[in-house]
Formats: sequence, structure tokens, C-alpha cells
Amino acid sequence: DGGITQSPKYLFRKEGQNVTLSCEQNLNHDAMYWYRQDPGQGLRLIYYSQIVNDFQKGDIAEGYSVSREKKESFPLTVTSAQKNPTAFYLCASSIAGSYYGYTFGSGTRLTVV
Amino acid sequence: DAKTTQPNSMESNEEEPVHLPCNHSTISGTDYIHWYRQLPSQGPEYVIHGLTSNVNNRMASLAIAEDRKSSTLILHRATLRDAAVYYCILRDGGTSGTYKYIFGTGTRLKVLA
Repeated sequence: DGGITQSPKYLFRKEGQNVTLSCEQNLNHDAMYWYRQDPGQGLRLIYYSQIVNDFQKGDIAEGYSVSREKKESFPLTVTSAQKNPTAFYLCASSIAGSYYGYTFGSGTRLTVV
Repeated sequence: DAKTTQPNSMESNEEEPVHLPCNHSTISGTDYIHWYRQLPSQGPEYVIHGLTSNVNNRMASLAIAEDRKSSTLILHRATLRDAAVYYCILRDGGTSGTYKYIFGTGTRLKVLA
């Protein structure tokens, strides 16, 4: 079955360390997105990519980096520059330019210890 | 950016219909209205979308006001599994074909047994 996979489901990081969250999709979708969700809040866009080797900053890109070397993969690195990285991170994909919706992954919960 | 306004929370009894309202007074002529729902600790799930006409699918119905400044998601018979946060979102992409969602805080639906 086609879908979008995020790993790991839970991740613990020490302060000052970089950590990379994985996002893989086999839906043949062009566009991929990273969102952050804090408790009781809506989703905020971090980065998005419409095509391979191209990506754009969202509303809260500071302290994060991404790459899009393959259509299927859009990893997110949370760097030590991110002041408050503890959150629920969601990856999504869609057909670029389509009015149809996103497919979301099941999320990665990152905790800084 | 076009925004939406939803009540923070609503309650419904099991097996009864639920009407979840959404106001979007600044909607543009080409904006689609999308609804997603999010269960605890999961990624959002697509529910339905529409432009001008009312829409039905196996999950829900979407009623769109004639002036398009508001819409209502209708769950015909609420079950305990429908307890979730429901997001009403407008497409935000301009003319480039790129679009990204702007999520609000949504409506938390509680279903009472």
C-alpha cells in the first residue's frame, strides 16, 4: 500500500545535538512538507519542497534544515540553533499544484533532555 | 493569507448528527475549502474538500454557503471514533501552482457515549 512513513516515532535528543527526522513516501507525490505541532496548537509550516533539489522556507524555518535529493525522501534536521525543539513533527506529501489534499505521516515526537 | 475561524470545542452525543462550522470571510474566488481531522498523537487525515457546491463522501458532507464566506462540516451520525480535532483550511497558493496549508487551532470534538 502507498503511504508516507516517518521514523522514528519517538526521539530523544540532548541539548546541543543535531538530529535528523526521516520522511519517505511511495505515493509518487511531487510535493513534500514539514510541520511542527506544539501541545494544544495547530500545525506550523517549517519547510516545503515542490520538486527534487528545490525547497522553500515556511513560517518557522529558523533552526531547521532540509534536503530533497530524491523524490521519495525529505529529511528534516533539527539543529542546535533551534531554541525550543521539543514538539510533534509531521511530514506530508501531495500532488504539486493539485486541489486535492495532503497525505500525512504518523509523526515523530521529539523531546530534548 | 486567507484565514478561517472555528469554535475551540464542541460536544455531541453518540449516534447524533454533528455540524462543525467554519467562517472564512476573506476567501478568494479560487480558494478551495478543505477539512482535515486529527486523532490524538496521529497525523491529520483528509476528510473532504469543496469549492462552491455541497459535497458528500463516505466520511462526511460539506455544506458551503452561497457567498462562500462560511461552511459546515456535517457528520451524519457521530461515533466515539469521530472524537478528534477538526481543521477547516483554505488553499493558499496564489498563481504559481504551489500551495501550502495554513492551519488554525481547529475545533476539538467530544463525542459522549
